[in-house]
Amino acid sequence: DADVTQTPRNRITKTGKRIMLECSQTKGHDRMYWYRQDPGLGLRLIYYSFDVKDINKGEISDGYSVSRQAQAKFSLSLESAIPNQTALYFCATSDLGPRGTSGVGNEQFFGPGTRLTVL
Amino acid sequence: QKEVEQNSGPLSVPEGAIASLNCTYSDRGSQSFFWYRQYSGKSPELIMFIYSNGDKEDGRFTAQLNKASQYVSLLIRDSQPSDSATYLCCGGSNYKLTFGKGTLLTVNP
Repeated sequence: DADVTQTPRNRITKTGKRIMLECSQTKGHDRMYWYRQDPGLGLRLIYYSFDVKDINKGEISDGYSVSRQAQAKFSLSLESAIPNQTALYFCATSDLGPRGTSGVGNEQFFGPGTRLTVL
Repeated sequence: QKEVEQNSGPLSVPEGAIASLNCTYSDRGSQSFFWYRQYSGKSPELIMFIYSNGDKEDGRFTAQLNKASQYVSLLIRDSQPSDSATYLCCGGSNYKLTFGKGTLLTVNP
């Protein structure tokens, strides 16, 4: 079974609709992230969370909100979808690193992605 | 603003050749660096990480880090068609990584 799962895998919606993308992980990691990927722009961080009570904005959080329902679940919502939110969305997780350090070693593990199209 | 710049590519090499991918970063506070491979439409997959100056080898892959020059590279020896993918360089410290835009590598049989 996959360590990081995302649902749905594909979604087509209309402008103005509310959309929720869900992410679950079985890796036991505290840290979770949401990215979007657009051709030519690379991966951009939307939101990240260190634990259930800690949620932080990334570089492109406008138009998005998140909820950390449990250590293993992190959801991304588009309150009113617009066409320029059409993108590939990835959830990722990371741990503290070796020996509990909070620096070196915190590679991120990605889910399979959700392809979202807003018409 | 923290940035990671990669050679724009696309890069094309013949099968069996060495592919060289390069990356520079602006944040001198970055401590850890990673190379991810991403096939079209798939999620990024970690292939190498490096924290210390110098070279790190893992099979056909060698990562190089020069913190003084703020430079990271990835060499792929004996390139195979299955290595054809986009390679993402990223660096960071503590909890956040900054990703480059990626370099598309094509290995021709």
